[in-house]
Amino acid sequence: DIQMTQSPSTLSASVGDRVTITCRASQSFSSWLAWYQQKPGKAPNLLIYKASTLESGVPSRFSGSGSGTEFTLTISSLQPDDFATYYCQQYNSFPGTFGQGTKLEIK
Amino acid sequence: QVTLRESGPALVKPTQTLTLTCTFSGFSLSTSGMCVSWIRQPPGKALEWLALIDWDDDEYYSTSLKTRLTISKDTSKNQVVLTMTNMDPVDTATYYCARMVGYSSPFDYWGQGTLVTVSS
Repeated sequence: DIQMTQSPSTLSASVGDRVTITCRASQSFSSWLAWYQQKPGKAPNLLIYKASTLESGVPSRFSGSGSGTEFTLTISSLQPDDFATYYCQQYNSFPGTFGQGTKLEIK
Repeated sequence: QVTLRESGPALVKPTQTLTLTCTFSGFSLSTSGMCVSWIRQPPGKALEWLALIDWDDDEYYSTSLKTRLTISKDTSKNQVVLTMTNMDPVDTATYYCARMVGYSSPFDYWGQGTLVTVSS
């Protein structure tokens, strides 16, 4: 299985900040990577797929990039609703595997 | 509108078998490309994929849990059932079902999850 490692595990930031979360894969692949947002007590919500394609309804302050073994999720200007945990998931090879998560906290 | 909902016991005893049902609407699991997976999340921990069943009745399982899992579907009832045998306290988690459209796809719709606690 492809292992996915996210960094940092926790990120403290303020409203209006630009933040970047990184996801590194144990094997290289092109763009079959998704990002999810999860709030406490809720199911994950798909934000980005194919590394950089925004899911319908997701604010444009979210963006994704990368290929190979390194992928990033960027939030251009943090809003109060963005404080949550973020997971990457590769679906290049079966089964799709998740990163361990990045908790975005209010500074 | 696509929806999924998990149901099952909130509490099971060690060594018992867990049976969870995912009831969905807004799509058919007989449509080519449609897949439903089970994913779990222990409290405070990351997501772990467990099993998948597709429109063609193909089944796939987590390598580490393969011997304990069975996934099945009832297309007429729009349901997918997961059984997990020999439950242990480490299996305490929120269990989600989620949809994929094709194997090279993310999970685009999720159920709200059901918390299963394993305790005597």
